[in-house]
Amino acid sequence: NAGVMQNPRHLVRRRGQEARLRCSPMKGHSHVYWYRQLPEEGLKFMVYLQKENIIDESGMPKERFSAEFPKEGPSILRIQQVVRGDSAAYFCASSPRIGGYNEQFFGPGTRLTVL
Amino acid sequence: ELKVEQNPLFLSMQEGKNYTIYCNYSTTSDRLYWYRQDPGKSLESLFVLLSNGAVKQEGRLMASLDTKARLSTLHITAAVHDLSATYFCAVEGQGAQKLVFGQGTRLTINP
Repeated sequence: NAGVMQNPRHLVRRRGQEARLRCSPMKGHSHVYWYRQLPEEGLKFMVYLQKENIIDESGMPKERFSAEFPKEGPSILRIQQVVRGDSAAYFCASSPRIGGYNEQFFGPGTRLTVL
Repeated sequence: ELKVEQNPLFLSMQEGKNYTIYCNYSTTSDRLYWYRQDPGKSLESLFVLLSNGAVKQEGRLMASLDTKARLSTLHITAAVHDLSATYFCAVEGQGAQKLVFGQGTRLTINP
């Protein structure tokens, strides 16, 4: 029973390049959340998606960041034209949302370093 | 806007001692979560607290929730080195989908 999977685990990009982070939720989970963790800080919500729908993107920067969760395949967090301030750990979580109960299970994270 | 604050942010303690981490939040919520994070690792779910007065225990850790005071506590009994980690509380706001996290408490337990 695999948990939440993320890849790559580590990603190095130069300023101006694009970063694509992937997340496969736990089996049976159709709700995906992305969070960002800056060094020595807590996690900050970015976006909440269900299959083919963005439900809440209130934590996403307005520019350069986008997310999708297609009908088939993993959820993708895309960062265009990365800057040094994008260096962080990006965690994906999934939830089954049974009866409104929202326990989220976290993946191992992708650690993005922008040179 | 829901805000979650933990204290202390840093805690260094000796093995065998007891201590408590506090988690305060600013708006009404019935759902609070505690997670553990080891350096460079992901978050491990420790406790889910779903109602006022909820108390859960696992080994040397015990968590409680007082929704009227908007306060949760994580109590550590007779600490051991293996409990060294960063502990986060997270709150789900009413009708909200996302979790709002506290800043984390970095716990170091010395032999």
